[in-house]
Amino acid sequence: EAGVAQSPRYKIIEKRQSVAFWCNPISGHATLYWYQQILGQGPKLLIQFQNNGVVDDSQLPKDRFSAERLKGVDSTLKIQPAKLEDSAVYLCASSSHRVQRGEPTDTQYFGPGTRLTVL
Amino acid sequence: GQNIDQPTEMTATEGAIVQINCTYQTSGFNGLFWYQQHAGEAPTFLSYNVLDGLEEKGRFSSFLSRSKGYSYLLLKELQMKDSASYLCAPRGGGFKTIFGAGTRLFVKA
Repeated sequence: EAGVAQSPRYKIIEKRQSVAFWCNPISGHATLYWYQQILGQGPKLLIQFQNNGVVDDSQLPKDRFSAERLKGVDSTLKIQPAKLEDSAVYLCASSSHRVQRGEPTDTQYFGPGTRLTVL
Repeated sequence: GQNIDQPTEMTATEGAIVQINCTYQTSGFNGLFWYQQHAGEAPTFLSYNVLDGLEEKGRFSSFLSRSKGYSYLLLKELQMKDSASYLCAPRGGGFKTIFGAGTRLFVKA
């Protein structure tokens, strides 16, 4: 079974530029999450989708961040314009309400992340 | 409010046992996850507790006390590859999982 795919793996941009990240979840996983992880901190939820609907975007800085999951499968996260403090790893995760691999329902499976550096 | 407290760093010796504690406050409670995260990699699932008591899984065990808002992860027979961050992640109301800052474990020879 393929895992969560993310691209690009690394991105360096200058402040005020735009950037987009792509995520393809595990097949059949209805729930998709985008997290921001700053060095030395735990992942912070930015947005959670259930199929193509938003469940939680309370911590998404909506003046500059946007995300979509139009067909309920893959998703894109965009930052426009970027600030220095957006330098972080952006993790995508997916989960299912069904028990998989003998693990509890809604266990989150993470992609490798995109490391963003804003100069 | 919601809060997760775990030590920032711990150091232990290869072959030893280490216990990583986590205290939490959440609005509602629907279980607690522990994830392992090696440097530069994504978190991976380690264990899950929803009832009080100990869950054992090979060299790793996790304990939960819901009344105390307390959990710990126990790692036995430490190996160098166990050097990683360990994230305590309670699931609160609405089945929303919140991640702690993590405990960085250094295993020395």
